[in-house]
Amino acid sequence: QKEVEQNSGPLSVPEGAIASLNCTYSDRGSQSFFWYRQYSGKSPELIMFIYSNGDKEDGRFTAQLNKASQYVSLLIRDSQPSDSATYLCAVMGTGNQFYFGTGTSLTVIP
Amino acid sequence: DAGVIQSPRHEVTEMGQEVTLRCKPISGHDYLFWYRQTMMRGLELLIYFNNNVPIDDSGMPEDRFSAKMPNASFSTLKIQPSEPRDSAVYFCASRTGGRPQHFGDGTRLSIL
Repeated sequence: QKEVEQNSGPLSVPEGAIASLNCTYSDRGSQSFFWYRQYSGKSPELIMFIYSNGDKEDGRFTAQLNKASQYVSLLIRDSQPSDSATYLCAVMGTGNQFYFGTGTSLTVIP
Repeated sequence: DAGVIQSPRHEVTEMGQEVTLRCKPISGHDYLFWYRQTMMRGLELLIYFNNNVPIDDSGMPEDRFSAKMPNASFSTLKIQPSEPRDSAVYFCASRTGGRPQHFGDGTRLSIL
Protein backbone atom coordinates (compact mmCIF):
# COMPACT_ATOMS: atom_id res chain seq x y z
CA GLN A 1 0.00 0.00 0.00
CA LYS A 2 1.36 3.39 -0.96
CA GLU A 3 1.68 6.01 1.73
CA VAL A 4 -0.24 8.60 -0.30
CA GLU A 5 -2.80 7.81 -2.98
CA GLN A 6 -4.21 10.14 -5.61
CA ASN A 7 -6.30 9.56 -8.72
CA SER A 8 -3.93 10.18 -11.62
CA GLY A 9 -6.70 11.65 -13.74
CA PRO A 10 -6.73 13.32 -16.09
CA LEU A 11 -9.41 15.53 -14.62
CA SER A 12 -11.06 17.97 -17.01
CA VAL A 13 -13.35 20.79 -15.91
CA PRO A 14 -14.81 23.75 -17.82
CA GLU A 15 -13.57 27.23 -17.08
CA GLY A 16 -15.39 28.72 -14.10
CA ALA A 17 -16.28 25.36 -12.55
CA ILE A 18 -15.04 23.88 -9.28
CA ALA A 19 -12.20 21.38 -9.56
CA SER A 20 -11.99 18.82 -6.77
CA LEU A 21 -8.77 16.92 -6.14
CA ASN A 22 -8.59 14.13 -3.62
CA CYS A 23 -5.90 12.34 -1.65
CA THR A 24 -5.82 9.57 0.96
CA TYR A 25 -2.96 8.61 3.22
CA SER A 26 -2.07 5.55 5.26
CA ASP A 27 -0.13 6.89 8.27
CA ARG A 28 -2.78 7.73 10.86
CA GLY A 29 -0.20 9.69 12.85
CA SER A 30 0.42 12.18 10.03
CA GLN A 31 0.14 15.79 11.13
CA SER A 32 0.99 17.97 8.15
CA PHE A 33 -0.51 18.00 4.68
CA PHE A 34 0.52 19.93 1.59
CA TRP A 35 -0.61 20.58 -1.95
CA TYR A 36 1.90 21.34 -4.67
CA ARG A 37 1.20 22.48 -8.21
CA GLN A 38 3.55 21.47 -11.01
CA TYR A 39 3.36 22.97 -14.46
CA SER A 40 4.81 20.94 -17.31
CA GLY A 41 8.58 21.30 -17.35
CA LYS A 42 8.67 23.15 -14.03
CA SER A 43 9.35 22.22 -10.42
CA PRO A 44 6.63 21.57 -7.82
CA GLU A 45 5.39 24.75 -6.18
CA LEU A 46 3.72 24.82 -2.76
CA ILE A 47 0.20 26.27 -2.94
CA MET A 48 -1.51 25.17 0.28
CA PHE A 49 -0.79 23.46 3.57
CA ILE A 50 -3.12 22.36 6.35
CA TYR A 51 -2.51 20.96 9.81
CA SER A 52 -5.95 20.89 11.47
CA ASN A 53 -9.20 19.14 10.68
CA GLY A 54 -11.60 21.24 8.66
CA ASP A 55 -11.22 23.73 5.85
CA LYS A 56 -8.52 26.26 5.06
CA GLU A 57 -9.18 28.85 2.39
CA ASP A 58 -6.70 30.93 0.40
CA GLY A 59 -8.23 32.88 -2.45
CA ARG A 60 -9.77 30.46 -4.92
CA PHE A 61 -8.18 27.48 -3.18
CA THR A 62 -9.64 25.51 -0.24
CA ALA A 63 -7.88 22.61 1.44
CA GLN A 64 -10.02 20.20 3.41
CA LEU A 65 -8.70 17.72 5.97
CA ASN A 66 -10.47 14.82 7.64
CA LYS A 67 -8.03 12.94 9.84
CA ALA A 68 -10.60 10.35 10.93
CA SER A 69 -11.07 9.32 7.30
CA GLN A 70 -7.41 9.96 6.44
CA TYR A 71 -8.51 12.14 3.59
CA VAL A 72 -7.35 15.50 2.29
CA SER A 73 -8.73 17.40 -0.66
CA LEU A 74 -8.13 20.56 -2.66
CA LEU A 75 -10.97 22.57 -4.18
CA ILE A 76 -10.27 25.16 -6.85
CA ARG A 77 -13.18 27.56 -7.36
CA ASP A 78 -13.73 29.51 -10.57
CA SER A 79 -11.17 27.34 -12.36
CA GLN A 80 -9.02 29.12 -14.93
CA PRO A 81 -7.03 27.69 -17.86
CA SER A 82 -3.91 28.79 -15.96
CA ASP A 83 -4.82 26.24 -13.27
CA SER A 84 -4.09 23.43 -15.74
CA ALA A 85 -1.23 21.52 -14.15
CA THR A 86 -0.44 18.41 -12.13
CA TYR A 87 -1.34 18.66 -8.45
CA LEU A 88 0.74 16.69 -5.96
CA CYS A 89 -0.51 15.79 -2.51
CA ALA A 90 2.20 15.46 0.14
CA VAL A 91 1.97 14.18 3.69
CA MET A 92 4.45 14.44 6.52
CA GLY A 93 4.18 11.25 8.52
CA THR A 94 5.39 10.31 11.95
CA GLY A 95 9.15 10.69 12.12
CA ASN A 96 9.04 13.69 9.76
CA GLN A 97 9.06 11.50 6.65
CA PHE A 98 7.67 13.37 3.65
CA TYR A 99 5.57 11.34 1.17
CA PHE A 100 4.26 12.49 -2.21
CA GLY A 101 1.38 11.09 -4.19
CA THR A 102 1.77 10.45 -7.90
CA GLY A 103 -0.21 13.56 -8.78
CA THR A 104 -3.50 14.39 -10.51
CA SER A 105 -3.41 16.03 -13.91
CA LEU A 106 -5.97 18.84 -14.21
CA THR A 107 -7.06 20.46 -17.46
CA VAL A 108 -9.36 23.50 -17.41
CA ILE A 109 -11.14 23.84 -20.72
CA PRO A 110 -11.82 27.42 -21.90
CA ASP B 1 15.15 35.32 -0.37
CA ALA B 2 17.12 33.00 -2.61
CA GLY B 3 15.44 29.69 -3.21
CA VAL B 4 17.02 26.29 -3.68
CA ILE B 5 19.66 26.61 -6.39
CA GLN B 6 20.55 23.68 -8.64
CA SER B 7 23.17 23.37 -11.32
CA PRO B 8 23.43 22.62 -14.12
CA ARG B 9 19.89 23.19 -15.45
CA HIS B 10 20.49 20.82 -18.34
CA GLU B 11 23.06 18.09 -18.83
CA VAL B 12 23.55 15.94 -21.90
CA THR B 13 26.28 13.35 -21.79
CA GLU B 14 27.21 9.99 -23.19
CA MET B 15 26.65 6.68 -21.49
CA GLY B 16 29.49 5.73 -19.17
CA GLN B 17 30.43 9.29 -18.26
CA GLU B 18 30.38 10.62 -14.72
CA VAL B 19 27.63 13.11 -13.93
CA THR B 20 27.63 15.47 -10.95
CA LEU B 21 24.55 17.46 -9.97
CA ARG B 22 24.82 20.28 -7.46
CA CYS B 23 22.45 21.86 -4.98
CA LYS B 24 22.53 24.83 -2.64
CA PRO B 25 19.67 24.66 -0.12
CA ILE B 26 17.85 27.63 1.36
CA SER B 27 19.94 29.16 4.13
CA GLY B 28 18.85 27.89 7.53
CA HIS B 29 17.13 24.78 6.24
CA ASP B 30 18.32 21.64 7.99
CA TYR B 31 16.80 19.02 5.69
CA LEU B 32 17.89 18.42 2.09
CA PHE B 33 16.26 16.00 -0.34
CA TRP B 34 17.19 14.61 -3.74
CA TYR B 35 14.34 13.44 -6.00
CA ARG B 36 14.15 11.96 -9.48
CA GLN B 37 11.09 12.48 -11.67
CA THR B 38 10.10 10.54 -14.78
CA MET B 39 6.81 10.15 -16.60
CA MET B 40 6.69 6.46 -15.77
CA ARG B 41 7.60 6.56 -12.07
CA GLY B 42 6.62 10.05 -10.98
CA LEU B 43 8.52 11.78 -8.19
CA GLU B 44 10.88 9.39 -6.38
CA LEU B 45 12.82 10.23 -3.23
CA LEU B 46 16.43 9.14 -3.67
CA ILE B 47 18.06 10.29 -0.42
CA TYR B 48 17.68 12.90 2.26
CA PHE B 49 19.99 14.57 4.76
CA ASN B 50 19.35 16.13 8.14
CA ASN B 51 22.04 18.49 9.44
CA ASN B 52 24.36 17.26 6.66
CA VAL B 53 24.02 13.61 7.72
CA PRO B 54 22.43 11.10 5.30
CA ILE B 55 19.31 9.72 7.00
CA ASP B 56 17.66 7.52 4.39
CA ASP B 57 19.28 6.44 1.13
CA SER B 58 16.94 3.53 0.45
CA GLY B 59 15.71 5.22 -2.71
CA MET B 60 19.13 5.33 -4.35
CA PRO B 61 18.70 2.93 -7.26
CA GLU B 62 22.11 1.29 -7.14
CA ASP B 63 25.76 1.74 -6.29
CA ARG B 64 26.31 3.92 -9.32
CA PHE B 65 24.54 6.69 -7.41
CA SER B 66 26.15 8.53 -4.52
CA ALA B 67 25.32 11.73 -2.64
CA LYS B 68 27.28 13.93 -0.29
CA MET B 69 26.62 16.98 1.82
CA PRO B 70 29.98 18.32 3.00
CA ASN B 71 28.43 21.40 4.63
CA ALA B 72 25.07 23.04 5.28
CA SER B 73 25.10 25.00 2.03
CA PHE B 74 26.09 22.42 -0.56
CA SER B 75 25.22 18.93 -1.73
CA THR B 76 26.10 16.78 -4.72
CA LEU B 77 24.49 13.82 -6.41
CA LYS B 78 26.88 11.79 -8.53
CA ILE B 79 26.20 9.08 -11.07
CA GLN B 80 29.16 6.98 -12.19
CA PRO B 81 28.96 5.40 -14.70
CA SER B 82 25.82 6.92 -16.19
CA GLU B 83 23.31 4.89 -18.23
CA PRO B 84 20.48 5.94 -20.58
CA ARG B 85 17.88 4.80 -18.02
CA ASP B 86 19.19 7.50 -15.64
CA SER B 87 17.70 10.15 -17.93
CA ALA B 88 15.21 12.13 -15.85
CA VAL B 89 14.68 15.43 -14.09
CA TYR B 90 16.50 15.54 -10.77
CA PHE B 91 15.16 17.88 -8.11
CA CYS B 92 16.75 19.08 -4.92
CA ALA B 93 14.48 20.34 -2.13
CA SER B 94 15.06 21.71 1.36
CA ARG B 95 13.02 22.49 4.43
CA THR B 96 13.35 23.24 8.11
CA GLY B 97 11.65 21.22 10.83
CA GLY B 98 8.04 20.42 10.02
CA ARG B 99 7.70 23.17 7.46
CA PRO B 100 6.95 22.55 3.75
CA GLN B 101 9.65 21.55 1.30
CA HIS B 102 10.82 24.02 -1.31
CA PHE B 103 12.12 22.73 -4.63
CA GLY B 104 14.87 23.92 -6.91
CA ASP B 105 14.27 24.32 -10.63
CA GLY B 106 15.69 20.86 -11.32
CA THR B 107 18.38 19.43 -13.57
CA ARG B 108 17.17 17.83 -16.80
CA LEU B 109 19.58 14.97 -17.44
CA SER B 110 19.85 13.16 -20.75
CA ILE B 111 22.19 10.20 -21.12
CA LEU B 112 22.79 9.24 -24.75
